[in-house]
Amino acid sequence: EAQVTQNPRYLITVTGKKLTVTCSQNMNHEYMSWYRQDPGLGLRQIYYSMNVEVTDKGDVPEGYKVSRKEKRNFPLILESPSPNQTSLYFCASSWGLAGVGEQFFGPGTRLTVL
Amino acid sequence: KQEVTQIPAALSVPEGENLVLNCSFTDSAIYNLQWFRQDPGKGLTSLLLIQSSQREQTSGRLNASLDKSSGRSTLYIAASQPGDSATYLCAVGFTQGGSEKLVFGKGTKLTVNP
Repeated sequence: EAQVTQNPRYLITVTGKKLTVTCSQNMNHEYMSWYRQDPGLGLRQIYYSMNVEVTDKGDVPEGYKVSRKEKRNFPLILESPSPNQTSLYFCASSWGLAGVGEQFFGPGTRLTVL
Repeated sequence: KQEVTQIPAALSVPEGENLVLNCSFTDSAIYNLQWFRQDPGKGLTSLLLIQSSQREQTSGRLNASLDKSSGRSTLYIAASQPGDSATYLCAVGFTQGGSEKLVFGKGTKLTVNP
């Protein structure tokens, strides 16, 4: 089954404790991205990657890191989480580039930073 | 800067009614427009993708139209059912400074009452 998977689905952590949210797709998509969704603010792009070893900042990259060492995986890293990073996070992938491809979303990761 | 607006923010209709959801965008230089459905606390499910060269797309009871010149798209839902209750999001894909971008509206929360 074609899908985007994220882990963990739920995470409660404390300020400053490094964490990684994994994202994996099995559709051989080139384009992958991370979004956060907050009430009243909608979905905002954090980082995206157009191919292996090619990543770029989205609209709200502060406090986040990403890497793209393999085509299928695109982990999101929070080196020192803070309470303002409490949010619902989504990973997405598509054929080619975002401009031409249908976006497929993962199920989301609900993160709470205390 | 590309901005996407969805009006109304919320809509409540009786079962069986036909309805239209609206999406507008400020810059007509887009590659595509995509409509998504999101159930509470869940991920996004792609409903319809309209390429910039297309005027509409249909899937079952759903019909999406695109008017690039006026910066508008509509999602028409025929014979609405309680199972259609969800938040509907539109997103436009475009290039900016050589990067591929996807910008979302904040969504319309639809409630279909039995």
